[in-house]
Amino acid sequence: KAGVTQTPRYLIKTRGQQVTLSCSPISGHRSVSWYQQTPGQGLQFLFEYFSETQRNKGNFPGRFSGRQFSNSRSEMNVSTLELGDSALYLCASSFPAPGQGDDEQFFGPGTRLTVL
Amino acid sequence: QQQVKQSPQSLIVQKGGISIINCAYENTAFDYFPWYQQFPGKGPALLIAIRPDVSEKKEGRFTISFNKSAKQFSLHIMDSQPGDSATYFCAAPGGAGNMLTFGGGTRLMVKP
Repeated sequence: KAGVTQTPRYLIKTRGQQVTLSCSPISGHRSVSWYQQTPGQGLQFLFEYFSETQRNKGNFPGRFSGRQFSNSRSEMNVSTLELGDSALYLCASSFPAPGQGDDEQFFGPGTRLTVL
Repeated sequence: QQQVKQSPQSLIVQKGGISIINCAYENTAFDYFPWYQQFPGKGPALLIAIRPDVSEKKEGRFTISFNKSAKQFSLHIMDSQPGDSATYFCAAPGGAGNMLTFGGGTRLMVKP
């Protein structure tokens, strides 16, 4: 079974631009979560989507948004990029069991975003 | 959103030695504590996980010890190998759904 795929793998943008990152979950997985990884802040939760609905949101400004499509693929968007948005953006998918918060999350390789 | 504090930040161990990484959490409401392993250029991968109804879980050379009263859990890597060199993250559920709160990470280097 193919793993989680993320595109693009690398991206360079300038301040003020916007960017869209894509994530294709493992076939059959319906939950997609996004995380930001930086050397200073570590791994931080951005948001989670399940059945096209945002189920949870981390403590990030409104410039960060996402969505999920009917095939469970997900995109995240960052508008008005700032230098501090430079990070590895990771997507994780899981096949959630109803009522449980302990579903194994499978991470993709991430998209490395550099903001100049 | 609860915090998870992880130590040490970095660890150097000789081949064959024991690597020990510790984590402490705040919120007692949650009942699932995973450890993730991340190699350079890769996303984190689940290594081992524990529920607090047991005090220890062992999978091969990897063991989680859990102390519910102290709100602490640790990862022990026995007979550490150079291939274990990676960054390790502990985590705990941080809210509804599948949200995870991660510790700061421990960069492990196992010297041959």
